[in-house]
Amino acid sequence: GDSVTQMEGPVTLSEEAFLTINCTYTATGYPSLFWYVQYPGEGLQLLLKATKADDKGSNKGFEATYRKETTSFHLEKGSVQVSDSAVYFCALVNRDDKIIFGKGTRLHILP
Amino acid sequence: DVKVTQSSRYLVKRTGEKVFLECVQDMDHENMFWYRQDPGLGLRLIYFSYDVKMKEKGDIPEGYSVSREKKERFSLILESASTNQTSMYLCASSPTGQPQHFGDGTRLSIL
Repeated sequence: GDSVTQMEGPVTLSEEAFLTINCTYTATGYPSLFWYVQYPGEGLQLLLKATKADDKGSNKGFEATYRKETTSFHLEKGSVQVSDSAVYFCALVNRDDKIIFGKGTRLHILP
Repeated sequence: DVKVTQSSRYLVKRTGEKVFLECVQDMDHENMFWYRQDPGLGLRLIYFSYDVKMKEKGDIPEGYSVSREKKERFSLILESASTNQTSMYLCASSPTGQPQHFGDGTRLSIL
């Protein structure tokens, strides 16, 4: 079945470091891809999305590019801040309109 | 902005009690979802609904039921609460084919 695999956390970085959180997927057809963020004590918020191959989603300095050839949607940010500390979820919506989440990656940013 | 409101942020109940978790959305979305979130397991879908009075089982429906009498409200019911249902519960809504919007979650403890 369809699935999303993302790197295990926690990921700990210093402020202003470069961030990459890997995400790969398995799905038939052309799913839509998403990154959600969950700040402490809150629900999930949509961070960015991409709906077709080679699309780049971006928001709040974060970017991710839909790579069909490698079935990947890695999240990147050039310079992280303490306020970026959160749990990040990669997700896809498949051709049955079902959303499938990865297990989440906890990110800690040290001042 | 879409608003998904869960009735309680924190709830403590006793084993065997009947527990109701309420969720209301204000954007006339067709689809509503209930998840539970546990460390190391990510989000798991309990039940979802594509329309009023309609419900579908998710991946882990055992021990739960749902009610959708009005389009804006989706209730999760624990018929007889057990300690293994202690968890964070997240409600979400979406228009068909669009990303889900989440509430802030209800942290439920069953003693």
